[in-house]
Amino acid sequence: VIWMTQSPSLLSASTGDRVTISCRMSQGISSYLAWYQQKPGKAPELLIYAASTLQSGVPSRFSGSGSGTDFTLTISCLQSEDFATYYCQQYYSFPWTFGQGTKVEIK
Amino acid sequence: EVQLVESGGGLVQPGRSLRLSCTASGFTFGDYAMSWVRQAPGKGLEWVGFIRSKAYGGTTEYAASVKGRFTISRDDSKSIAYLQMNSLKTEDTAVYYCTRDLSGNYDGGAFDIWGQGTMVTVSS
Repeated sequence: VIWMTQSPSLLSASTGDRVTISCRMSQGISSYLAWYQQKPGKAPELLIYAASTLQSGVPSRFSGSGSGTDFTLTISCLQSEDFATYYCQQYYSFPWTFGQGTKVEIK
Repeated sequence: EVQLVESGGGLVQPGRSLRLSCTASGFTFGDYAMSWVRQAPGKGLEWVGFIRSKAYGGTTEYAASVKGRFTISRDDSKSIAYLQMNSLKTEDTAVYYCTRDLSGNYDGGAFDIWGQGTMVTVSS
């Protein structure tokens, strides 16, 4: 099983801030990593796959980087609609696993 | 519009069974692998299982927590994926999401389409 450590679990930020969320793997997964955004009471939405490929329709202020064991999701200029919970997910090997989640809240 | 709609959730007693359905529309269902993901109340996401497209044998993979109790199947003629849940436990209480696999290959990948979810409550 590949274990994932996502940090921080809670991030307080203001509109316009640049924020980064980290996801660290217990073993290398190449670039088989996705990021999702989930708002309360809603299903998650795919933001990024293959570590750095932006899903169609996702604003360009979202970006992903990393490979191997260390990955980062960056929101370059936080907007009001970005306050949500974010999850990383590895699909390198079964069982697929998710990070614990990062809640981005208004400071 | 590409859409997944889950149904079949509800309240069930421990040890009983329940079958969830995921009805797809707006795309060629048979071309895609599908997964189920669940989320316990107030908790994070947990991958439950995966079924490949018929092009890759329609084979399945499961999380250890459900292996031997849950079974995923598909009916491409109806564009429906199923999650058969047997020997349910209180810890299976969660919202269950049906998802579409983005990759189109044997190993699967990220989930690009999600249903709205259906709540399953296991309680006596």
